Amino acid sequence: GNSVTQMEGPVTLSEEAFLTINCTYTATGYPSLFWYVQYPGEGLQLLLKATKADDKGSNKGFEATYRKETTSFHLEKGSVQVSDSAVYFCALSLDSNYQLIWGAGTKLIIKP
Amino acid sequence: KAGVTQTPRYLIKTRGQQVTLSCSPISGHRSVSWYQQTPGQGLQFLFEYFSETQRNKGNFPGRFSGRQFSNSRSEMNVSTLELGDSALYLCASSLFRAPNEKLFFGSGTQLSVL
Repeated sequence: GNSVTQMEGPVTLSEEAFLTINCTYTATGYPSLFWYVQYPGEGLQLLLKATKADDKGSNKGFEATYRKETTSFHLEKGSVQVSDSAVYFCALSLDSNYQLIWGAGTKLIIKP
Repeated sequence: KAGVTQTPRYLIKTRGQQVTLSCSPISGHRSVSWYQQTPGQGLQFLFEYFSETQRNKGNFPGRFSGRQFSNSRSEMNVSTLELGDSALYLCASSLFRAPNEKLFFGSGTQLSVL
């Protein structure tokens, strides 16, 4: 079946460190891929997306590249800030079925 | 522009009762979908409505139902509540119905079943 696997958290980093949160997927067909973020006390927000292979989504210094050959969509940021502390969710949706299929979420803690 | 509004913010019910949750999408958005979020199961899709019709349904029992009104507002209902229904219920809206469409989420309704 269709699924998304994320690295387990929490991930704890110091400010200005490099961030990678791994995300791999299993899907029939050609999914669209998303990263959503949930800041403390707030609702889920779309961070970035990619709709086809080799597309790169980017926003607020975060980037993720749709890699069909490795079925991955890893989230990266060159220099994290305390304000990036949140829970990050990787998700996919398919042309045949518009529901989002979610990873378990990765809690990111950035220490000053 | 107002965001997605979900009411109530918190609910406490007992087993066997039923509950109705409400969602008002962003003005102009016609697609509304519902998700359940729990620590154990994560985020799971419940159903999606577009133009007052249920277009898609997740793998939940028939106790979970919903509807959408002509103004795109949506409600979901859970009957015969069980302890395992305790969760954060999230509503999301989008302008169009497409697989790569950006979803806008409300803050959710936290349901506790005692």
